[in-house]
Amino acid sequence: GAVVSQHPSWVICKSGTSVKIECRSLDFQATTMFWYRQFPKQSLMLMATSNEGSKATYEQGVEKDKFLINHASLTLSTLTVTSAHPEDSSFYICSALSGRFGTDTQYFGPGTRLTVL
Amino acid sequence: DAKTTQPPSMDCAEGRAANLPCNHSTISGNEYVYWYRQIHSQGPQYIIHGLKNNETNEMASLIITEDRKSSTLILPHATLRDTAVYYCIVRYNQGGKLIFGQGTELSVKP
Repeated sequence: GAVVSQHPSWVICKSGTSVKIECRSLDFQATTMFWYRQFPKQSLMLMATSNEGSKATYEQGVEKDKFLINHASLTLSTLTVTSAHPEDSSFYICSALSGRFGTDTQYFGPGTRLTVL
Repeated sequence: DAKTTQPPSMDCAEGRAANLPCNHSTISGNEYVYWYRQIHSQGPQYIIHGLKNNETNEMASLIITEDRKSSTLILPHATLRDTAVYYCIVRYNQGGKLIFGQGTELSVKP
């Protein structure tokens, strides 16, 4: 099947620091990746759509200067949370769009749990 | 993208079939029905998707009504490991975003 990995799986950082999360498609190329955020007991919220070689498209209400997204290759997208604060603590999940098997399906990574102290 | 309505929770006995309903009365002609599930503290897992015909794979079956306004995901022999939140989402196959609702929390009990 289509496998997506994320690194790190969890991270703890101090308030004011920046954190980078990597999302990789391991066995397929993905021109489009997505970033979601999930707070406890809530559903996933789409943050942005990441397209290889172009600027990301952010959903309404998501600060593009705070959540920097780079999609430099067909297998890697990164999300950088800049100047993180405790309210940014959340579960961040990426997904990659695969056109394999004749479908256009999103496959998700295992998620990264960010805790900001 | 069309919205979906799912019951917030359901129980199922281990070994029995789990039938999870989803209403999508405003679905458009070229929107697909996708099902994902999320086990606690993990990323969502793709289960199945369809347009208008019934679909089956190694995980589940998807039954879509003829008018396409509702669908049912069937797990034929539920196990304890199927306990998860199940999301029904409609989207365009090309470039459509996956917008998650609240889903159905399925509890499989011994």
